[in-house]
Amino acid sequence: GENVEQHPSTLSVQEGDSAVIKCTYSDSASNYFPWYKQELGKRPQLIIDIRSNVGEKKDQRIAVTLNKTAKHFSLHITETQPEDSAVYFCATGGGNKLVFGAGTILRVKS
Amino acid sequence: DAGVIQSPRHEVTEMGQEVTLRCKPISGHNSLFWYRQTMMRGLELLIYFNNNVPIDDSGMPEDRFSAKMPNASFSTLKIQPSEPRDSAVYFCASSLVGNTIYFGEGSWLTVV
Repeated sequence: GENVEQHPSTLSVQEGDSAVIKCTYSDSASNYFPWYKQELGKRPQLIIDIRSNVGEKKDQRIAVTLNKTAKHFSLHITETQPEDSAVYFCATGGGNKLVFGAGTILRVKS
Repeated sequence: DAGVIQSPRHEVTEMGQEVTLRCKPISGHNSLFWYRQTMMRGLELLIYFNNNVPIDDSGMPEDRFSAKMPNASFSTLKIQPSEPRDSAVYFCASSLVGNTIYFGEGSWLTVV
């Protein structure tokens, strides 16, 4: 089955700096790549997604890049703020179900 | 829209008891998912339904777990008998096939 590896497992940055989280996947049929943010005690919520016909997508301070050849995609958060502190999950899907990475704990220090 | 609604939000039960978790998907969505989240194993897909039909239950840990979707607006996940290692947060999620998956608030289960 699909395998998704996510790095790093924890990331600590200074407020205002950028944060980058990377994921690699194994199934070449995957064509949907969402990122979810989960705050402590809350549900995972979609923050951005990309489909395989696009290499990059940006929404204000967050962006996602996709390299289908290398089977990896990344989340970029610029000008980080304390409220960005959370667990971030990448996921891949091809069809309907999503397989999630193990998550990255992002801590933004003010 | 009320979003995906799950109940109960919190449950503490004794080992050996039956646990039933309930989910109401977003109206109009035709796919429903049950995920389990633990520190050790992360977010695991247990089972998902398309148009009320179970499509993939390969993530269901063992026969103690069962899930049903009798109609488009209701699903249950049952654990019988429950064990302490079943303690986790169980998320229900729904989507239109191939589109964004929306999660419920989760059911926090503790088996003592």
